[in-house]
Amino acid sequence: QVQLVESGGGLVKPGGSLRLSCAASGFTFSDYYMSWIRQAPGKGLEWVSYISSSGSTIYYADSVKGRFTISRDNAKNSLYLQMNSLRAEDTAVYYCARSTTYGDYLVYWGQGTLVTVSS
Amino acid sequence: EIVMTQSPATLSVSPGERATLSCRASQSVSSNLAWYQQKPGQAPRLLIYGASTRATGIPARFSGSGSGTEFTLTISSLQSEDFAVYYCQQYNNWPPPYTFGQGTKLEIK
Repeated sequence: QVQLVESGGGLVKPGGSLRLSCAASGFTFSDYYMSWIRQAPGKGLEWVSYISSSGSTIYYADSVKGRFTISRDNAKNSLYLQMNSLRAEDTAVYYCARSTTYGDYLVYWGQGTLVTVSS
Repeated sequence: EIVMTQSPATLSVSPGERATLSCRASQSVSSNLAWYQQKPGQAPRLLIYGASTRATGIPARFSGSGSGTEFTLTISSLQSEDFAVYYCQQYNNWPPPYTFGQGTKLEIK
């Protein structure tokens, strides 16, 4: 069955960096678009970033553009999110999610990893 | 960027009754709309895609309708496990972002 397991969250000071990982299994990872979505405490869902199956097409929400970098390693079935210059407003649970092969709606979600940005 | 607006913010319904949740897009998204359910402490789960197609394993009491800018999620006879927050998301415009609505909390009356 499809599994997405995020890791790498934690407490970081404003201005700091963190790298999230998402280990995928149960499907051919290299066939699918992947995304990161976040949810601030008590708030709704915010799409953060998106990467095509080959990694050649990448998009970011304006709120993280220039600070976050999405990447993937299809040989390792893994998705990453490098987060730099972190701000208090980046505090959230970060979910990785798999789309269809067309990169549209989000079919499978991981359980999320909590990132807390605080001094 | 397309803005998705859900209403109401909170809906109180008794078990066994019907619930109707609305989602409006700031411009047409055709039928490129998905609904997700999220329970406390859990990740969201895909319920509906293509505005009206149930995802795998989703009970028939969940149905979606609409196209263009107006969409509805209907739960025909509420079960205890259906009380949760529901989000709509459009995936029509390219490139992303594929924006979410702010959510509707469905609570027990």
